[in-house]
Amino acid sequence: EVQLVESGGGLVQPGGSLRLSCAASGFTFSGYWMSWVRQAPGKGLEWVAIMKEEGTERYNGDSVKGRFTISRDESSLYLRMNSLTPEDSALYYCARSRSNLLGPRYFFDSWGQGTLVTVSS
Amino acid sequence: QSALTQPASVSGSPGQSVTISCTGTTSDVGGYKFVSWYQQHPGRAPKLLIYEVNNRPSGISDRFSASKSGNTASLTISGLQAEDEADYYCCSYSSIATVAVIFGGGTKVTVL
Repeated sequence: EVQLVESGGGLVQPGGSLRLSCAASGFTFSGYWMSWVRQAPGKGLEWVAIMKEEGTERYNGDSVKGRFTISRDESSLYLRMNSLTPEDSALYYCARSRSNLLGPRYFFDSWGQGTLVTVSS
Repeated sequence: QSALTQPASVSGSPGQSVTISCTGTTSDVGGYKFVSWYQQHPGRAPKLLIYEVNNRPSGISDRFSASKSGNTASLTISGLQAEDEADYYCCSYSSIATVAVIFGGGTKVTVL
């Protein structure tokens, strides 16, 4: 069974930093592109970042460029978040994407349950 | 990049069909086959319903179908059931940046 378990969320002050983790199991982690998607309370989904299987490519959404860094190792996905603002407060999901020879197929077939980040003084 | 445009809400009686639209541009919905749809119940993670415009993952009911015409994608729920009451999001690859993925604002489906 595919499992994605996020952790690392919490309360942080504006301007602070946080590192989220997503532990993957039940599938060959190195064979999938992985993303972070967030959802502010009562709001819609927003894609944050995506990373290639071997970690050789990574891309961020406009709202987090220069502040957030996605990374991965053999079995986990990470999101380093710097210069946090209240607008970054959200439930952060880890999500898996299938791919083919041309690259990611840009849909998310498995999701974790999310970890909540609250940015407030 | 702006979110894809979805109606805020749609409703229908049990057994009826409802359709949710998702409007973008030639840089996203209209230009690529990477349109997907997600169902989200309150307090739960999103669940993939449709990928690459009109494909259902295994285990998804055939009551869910989707299509695309021009810059607008659509999700149809047939034979509406109480359990279908949820939020629905469309999603597309966008070429507005090197790599970008954008979601619609979400549609609340209410079963009357």
